[in-house]
Amino acid sequence: NAGVTQTPKFRILKIGQSMTLQCTQDMNHNYMYWYRQDPGMGLKLIYYSVGAGITDKGEVPNGYNVSRSTTEDFPLRLELAAPSQTSVYFCASSWVPGTSISYEQYFGPGTRLTVT
Amino acid sequence: DAKTTQPNSMESNEEEPVHLPCNHSTISGTDYIHWYRQLPSQGPEYVIHGLTSNVNNRMASLAIAEDRKSSTLILHRATLRDAAVYYCILRDVRVEYGNKLVFGAGTILRVKS
Repeated sequence: NAGVTQTPKFRILKIGQSMTLQCTQDMNHNYMYWYRQDPGMGLKLIYYSVGAGITDKGEVPNGYNVSRSTTEDFPLRLELAAPSQTSVYFCASSWVPGTSISYEQYFGPGTRLTVT
Repeated sequence: DAKTTQPNSMESNEEEPVHLPCNHSTISGTDYIHWYRQLPSQGPEYVIHGLTSNVNNRMASLAIAEDRKSSTLILHRATLRDAAVYYCILRDVRVEYGNKLVFGAGTILRVKS
């Protein structure tokens, strides 16, 4: 299994541009998450999804949109990029087998985004 | 979400045990204690978790206080590859919480050779 993959690895955007960060997992996980990490800080949850067609806001959703049309993919859309969105973005997934909760989130390698 | 308190940084010598403390005085009965670590330029990775009893796995041990208000992650023999940021996180197991993790700033562990 490749696990959680993210593309691109690096991206520089100009203020006002838009882009989509891609996230794919091949572990058939129900739950998927997007986090951002600013320098020297812990991760903050942007959005999460408990299954295809279901998404919900995390701590810092403003300026972002998500969709989940398949189990495997969970893209993050940035509209009208701002310098405050300069960060490293991590996607993660976890598995909920039946009615019990899996304990582990698996993280991708991250996308480093700079907005200038 | 319940919060945890960790020291900003700790230092250890290689081949020696490391005890990373975490305080979580407002822990609730539905909170599991999780530890993740983040190596430089990588995403976080799961280390260990527990509810009430001490836990061991191939990476580490987790010692949980009897009142559950604190816990300690134990690396039995630190190596240079263990240098990372270690996060202590409380995860609410109730389904409506979506298996979410709330990260604090963590503890930066430095390992000296």
